[in-house]
Amino acid sequence: DSGVTQTPKHLITATGQRVTLRCSPRSGDLSVYWYQQSLDQGLQFLIQYYNGEERAKGNILERFSAQQFPDLHSELNLSSLELGDSALYFCASSVLLGVDTQYFGPGTRLTVL
Amino acid sequence: GENVEQHPSTLSVQEGDSAVIKCTYSDSASNYFPWYKQELGKRPQLIIDIRSNVGEKKDQRIAVTLNKTAKHFSLHITETQPEDSAVYFCAARPGGSQGNLIFGKGTKLSVKP
Repeated sequence: DSGVTQTPKHLITATGQRVTLRCSPRSGDLSVYWYQQSLDQGLQFLIQYYNGEERAKGNILERFSAQQFPDLHSELNLSSLELGDSALYFCASSVLLGVDTQYFGPGTRLTVL
Repeated sequence: GENVEQHPSTLSVQEGDSAVIKCTYSDSASNYFPWYKQELGKRPQLIIDIRSNVGEKKDQRIAVTLNKTAKHFSLHITETQPEDSAVYFCAARPGGSQGNLIFGKGTKLSVKP
């Protein structure tokens, strides 16, 4: 157990819908990262927050957004869902920015039908 | 931006043999190179990492080597065991990044008893 928690574990929804994925970092970790893992694309970095502020963006679609709250948990919002958004979504956390170890949560498996 | 290539995509070895997985990266300013092991349906778990000021690091049966000049790094697993069977991902942290990782596409390692 890495200490990073994610809910829900599984999510099944329909195209066009909107969902919210939740992540709680390890106690004391200020930085949260979101990654998408699909079969053909591997692990892709989406977005990073540090102490409530967005710090980096990767291959995140405009239909996706995220935020980090004062208690440091983070939510990833996915809207206008398409079949191709079906994937495993992981969040990871680290203590600080820069050179530091990232610990991954168990992931949320999203299935869009 | 940073690009990480990983080879081979699949690797099958006999129990007790060694396994080597290689990665190359494009950003010469990348400064941190972790390796993650992911079992089916589970989260990526950090198994070893190396920073750019070190050429080699070893932890029991696992070692990582880094060649900054050639921009490649490798994972070496000796005396492989069936429980080493998993997908292994290399990653690089680009120079000047806020901490996000760029992953290779993974190597599926099968260790046959």
